[in-house]
Amino acid sequence: QSALTQPASVSGSPGQSITISCTGTSSDVGGYNYVSWYQQHPGKAPKLMIYVVSNRPSGVSNRFSGSKSGNTASLTISGLQAEDEADYYCSSYTSSSTVVFGGGTKLTVL
Amino acid sequence: EVQLVESGGGLVQPGGSLRLSCAASGFIFSSYWMHWVRQAPGKGLVWVSRISSDGSSTTYADSVKGRFTISRDNAKNTLYLQMNSLRAEDTAVYYCVRIYCTNGDCYNEGFHYWGQGTLVTVSS
Repeated sequence: QSALTQPASVSGSPGQSITISCTGTSSDVGGYNYVSWYQQHPGKAPKLMIYVVSNRPSGVSNRFSGSKSGNTASLTISGLQAEDEADYYCSSYTSSSTVVFGGGTKLTVL
Repeated sequence: EVQLVESGGGLVQPGGSLRLSCAASGFIFSSYWMHWVRQAPGKGLVWVSRISSDGSSTTYADSVKGRFTISRDNAKNTLYLQMNSLRAEDTAVYYCVRIYCTNGDCYNEGFHYWGQGTLVTVSS
């Protein structure tokens, strides 16, 4: 199972919005609404930000939103803040009943 | 408060074995599917394995199938990962993960609670 494709890095200024893409195939992202997004700060465990494409766990800011079109899922962060600077990973359920992650995207807040 | 505490990591030679443990507390362990996810130093997250709440169903990534075995002891609130025939590429921090549940619904692919991780280093 190949990793989902994410851009290696994105950047934005405080207050701006950014979008991170996550591209898979019809056997994972395109075939199921089981896409999640995680935020990971250096030296810390990942934090669940989005589940089943567009749902936020309790306690996650509504500045974070998710969507999906075809084989590509997206995470949008609006009103960018300094504390959003982190690595972001997408994941998806697959037709093999496994889970596959994306390679990760480093978000830099300028 | 949900807590997941991994242990058992360390340095092992190629071809060796190691058993990781994850002690769970703060929730009804026997009600939740559990997963192992790993992260090589400076690299991304990689899903390893999962086990159903009663231990009857297990799934593995192709990269560890036949070498790793996930299991659980619900009486001891503990998750395990037996790792055999270890390779250099298995070197990583291994996280124990609990799925997300809300309003009576659980999402097997939403990894909500993570342990602090335990480092496994495979090297001669």
